Amino acid sequence: NAGVMQNPRHLVRRRGQEARLRCSPMKGHSHVYWYRQLPEEGLKFMVYLQKENIIDESGMPKERFSAEFPKEGPSILRIQQVVRGDSAAYFCASSTTETRSSPLHFGNGTRLTVT
Amino acid sequence: GENVEQHPSTLSVQEGDSAVIKCTYSDSASNYFPWYKQELGKGPQLIIDIRSNVGEKKDQRIAVTLNKTAKHFSLHITETQPEDSAVYFCAAFQGQGSARQLTFGSGTQLTVLP
Repeated sequence: NAGVMQNPRHLVRRRGQEARLRCSPMKGHSHVYWYRQLPEEGLKFMVYLQKENIIDESGMPKERFSAEFPKEGPSILRIQQVVRGDSAAYFCASSTTETRSSPLHFGNGTRLTVT
Repeated sequence: GENVEQHPSTLSVQEGDSAVIKCTYSDSASNYFPWYKQELGKGPQLIIDIRSNVGEKKDQRIAVTLNKTAKHFSLHITETQPEDSAVYFCAAFQGQGSARQLTFGSGTQLTVLP
């Protein structure tokens, strides 16, 4: 029973390039959450998605960031025209239902470095 | 929105001693409080959680207590071992309207000294 799978584990991009982060939730999980973690800080909520729907994107920067969770395939977090401040660890989590009913299970993250 | 404060930011204990980490939350509507352990280079791993209709929960050497009136909850680790060394995060979840997300504390770096 594979856990939440994120790839790539490490991603290096130059300023101005695009970063695409992928997340495959646990089997049977239809709710996906993306969090960002800056060095030596806690996790900050970015976006909550269900299949083909964005439920809550209140933590997403208004520009350059987008997320999707298509009917088929992994969830994608996309960062356009990356800047140095985007360097962080990005974690995906999944659950079977809303968190109140089932716990969140996290992947091991994608560490993005912008040079 | 919800705000979660966590203390201390670092904690060192001798192997075999107990460790206590405390968190406070601001939104009285929060009703679910998980604790996560994060080891270096890995994602957070759920270790225990508690819901607002329960005051205390225990799982072997780990226990969590919740005081809804004071809006604070604590993690207790007894008989600590070197493998307990990690960063621990508390979180609070509201689940009402659009607030269906976990708000995390800033983390506690626990070091268990052999």
